[in-house]
Amino acid sequence: NAGVTQTPKFRILKIGQSMTLQCTQDMNHNYMYWYRQDPGMGLKLIYYSVGAGITDKGEVPNGYNVSRSTTEDFPLRLELAAPSQTSVYFCASSPRRGLAGGGANVLTFGAGSRLTVL
Amino acid sequence: QQQVKQSPQSLIVQKGGISIINCAYENTAFDYFPWYQQFPGKGPALLIAIRPDVSEKKEGRFTISFNKSAKQFSLHIMDSQPGDSATYFCAAAYSGAGSYQLTFGKGTKLSVIP
Repeated sequence: NAGVTQTPKFRILKIGQSMTLQCTQDMNHNYMYWYRQDPGMGLKLIYYSVGAGITDKGEVPNGYNVSRSTTEDFPLRLELAAPSQTSVYFCASSPRRGLAGGGANVLTFGAGSRLTVL
Repeated sequence: QQQVKQSPQSLIVQKGGISIINCAYENTAFDYFPWYQQFPGKGPALLIAIRPDVSEKKEGRFTISFNKSAKQFSLHIMDSQPGDSATYFCAAAYSGAGSYQLTFGKGTKLSVIP
């Protein structure tokens, strides 16, 4: 199994450009998440989804949008890129609560997408 | 804002020594406390986790100690090895109905020197 796959791994954007970070998982997990990681700041939740068609805001949603049309895919869209969105973005997924130990709280992360906005 | 405070921000330990990372939380509803390990260029991966009904959990060289009354928990890495050099994140969550979010600490960069 591939687990959680993110593309692209690296991207440089100009201010005002838009782009989509792709995330797909092959573990049939219900829950999916987008985090951003900035140096010394830990992981901040941007958006999450508890199933296809259901999404909700996390701690830092401004400037981002998500959709979840299938169980497998959870793309993150940046509409008007700003320098403050320079970060490393991680997609993660977790199973339904009650499975695999902590269930919904056992996250499997992708390898990350490093985005630079100039 | 629910918070998990993690310290130290960075840690240098000699090979064979004990690495200790501490975390404190505020929300008494939290009932699941995992630690994630992240190597450079990789995503975080679950290392070990504990629930508040036990005071300690050990898996190999990694031990979580949990103090419910103080709302603190810590990760101990015994016989630290250079391969343990990574960033470690503590986290906390409420596993009840309607909960889907982990709250992460800011991370500790561990360097184990030969």
